[in-house]
Amino acid sequence: AQSVAQPEDQVNVAEGNPLTVKCTYSVSGNPYLFWYVQYPNRGLQFLLKYITGDNLVKGSYGFEAEFNKSQTSFHLKKPSALVSDSALYFCAVRAASISSGSARQLTFGSGTQLTVLP
Amino acid sequence: DSGVTQTPKHLITATGQRVTLRCSPRSGDLSVYWYQQSLDQGLQFLIQYYNGEERAKGNILERFSAQQFPDLHSELNLSSLELGDSALYFCASSAKITGQGKYEQYFGPGTRLTVT
Repeated sequence: AQSVAQPEDQVNVAEGNPLTVKCTYSVSGNPYLFWYVQYPNRGLQFLLKYITGDNLVKGSYGFEAEFNKSQTSFHLKKPSALVSDSALYFCAVRAASISSGSARQLTFGSGTQLTVLP
Repeated sequence: DSGVTQTPKHLITATGQRVTLRCSPRSGDLSVYWYQQSLDQGLQFLIQYYNGEERAKGNILERFSAQQFPDLHSELNLSSLELGDSALYFCASSAKITGQGKYEQYFGPGTRLTVT
């Protein structure tokens, strides 16, 4: 079974400071990893993904994430936070292998509420 | 705008009733996924269809069913509704096997179901 842990329910950061939202995962074989953002009363928006290759992936709105296989982590980062980044962030995983039906689905973490303070 | 549409936006109904939620995937996407988001359960995968066929099943109750039609739109049917079924229901779609963007899922705005 695959799982995602987002250990922090809430992250507060001052505008202009760097931010990190943590994510660790468990999956059989190689992972495909994703970050999504959800604004109030909206659907989830795709931010970035790790499929293969460079461990540092860049995504929308200046966000990036670092894949660390040994630590089974995929932390989301941004060098300088904006008030408009305040939202709910979800990490998700699926197995790279699609040999089984359940492997195609995304498993999401519980979400981290990011608040950027002006 | 993700290109995935869902109707209705809001639905209020009584316990024991049956409702149908509708989803139209992005143009060209063959896979449709249904998710339920609630405060206590978080975001949970329900079911996936690919080109009209069921491909994967998650934590979907027997009272719930779905289908994908030849035009690729999908419907999620929820019956014998209970108070605990109140949640936000999302549909997502993903691209065909080849090409860019083939792994991530694009989410619709959701249908907020309130069971009273």
